Amino acid sequence: DGGITQSPKYLFRKEGQNVTLSCEQNLNHDAMYWYRQDPGQGLRLIYYSQIVNDFQKGDIAEGYSVSREKKESFPLTVTSAQKNPTAFYLCASSRGGPPLDTQYFGPGTRLTVL
Amino acid sequence: LAKTTQPISMDSYEGQEVNITCSHNNIATNDYITWYQQFPSQGPRFIIQGYKTKVTNEVASLFIPADRKSSTLSLPRVSLSDTAVYYCLVGVPAYSSASKIIFGSGTRLSIRP
Repeated sequence: DGGITQSPKYLFRKEGQNVTLSCEQNLNHDAMYWYRQDPGQGLRLIYYSQIVNDFQKGDIAEGYSVSREKKESFPLTVTSAQKNPTAFYLCASSRGGPPLDTQYFGPGTRLTVL
Repeated sequence: LAKTTQPISMDSYEGQEVNITCSHNNIATNDYITWYQQFPSQGPRFIIQGYKTKVTNEVASLFIPADRKSSTLSLPRVSLSDTAVYYCLVGVPAYSSASKIIFGSGTRLSIRP
């Protein structure tokens, strides 16, 4: 089955620790995205990658880092510099061509900082 | 930036038609309008996309007036399972910077028996 997988589903971290969230897609999509969602709020874009080895900051990139070494993988690292990292993190991908392409979302990772 | 504005919440009853309107006054010529549905603790799911006039698929219709400054998602004969948050998204991420990918705050739709 084609789709997007995120792991783990739940993640607990101590303050001051970096943690990496996994996102893999087998849809052969060029574009991939990371969003953050806080309780009762909408989605906010963290990072966006249109193609391998290229990515752009979204609205709330501070305290986060990404890499895009392979087309199918777009891991997100939440660093200790992120002041309030507890949130629901969603990864998405899209074909990347015109027009505004449908984004396919993963099941999400819920990160809790203890 | 084509920021969107939607009602925070709406209530309706099973079997009714529900219309959710999204305002996007600064929509650009190349922008498309896309609606997503999100259930709790899940990723959003694509519902429908359009550029102008009317688009219909098996689950919804999307009405876009000539000036494209707003759009209306229409859900026919809703059921309890349509209770979710609905997001309106405007933009063309493939050709724009990441800052143009803007999800609004969403509309929380509650369907009652």
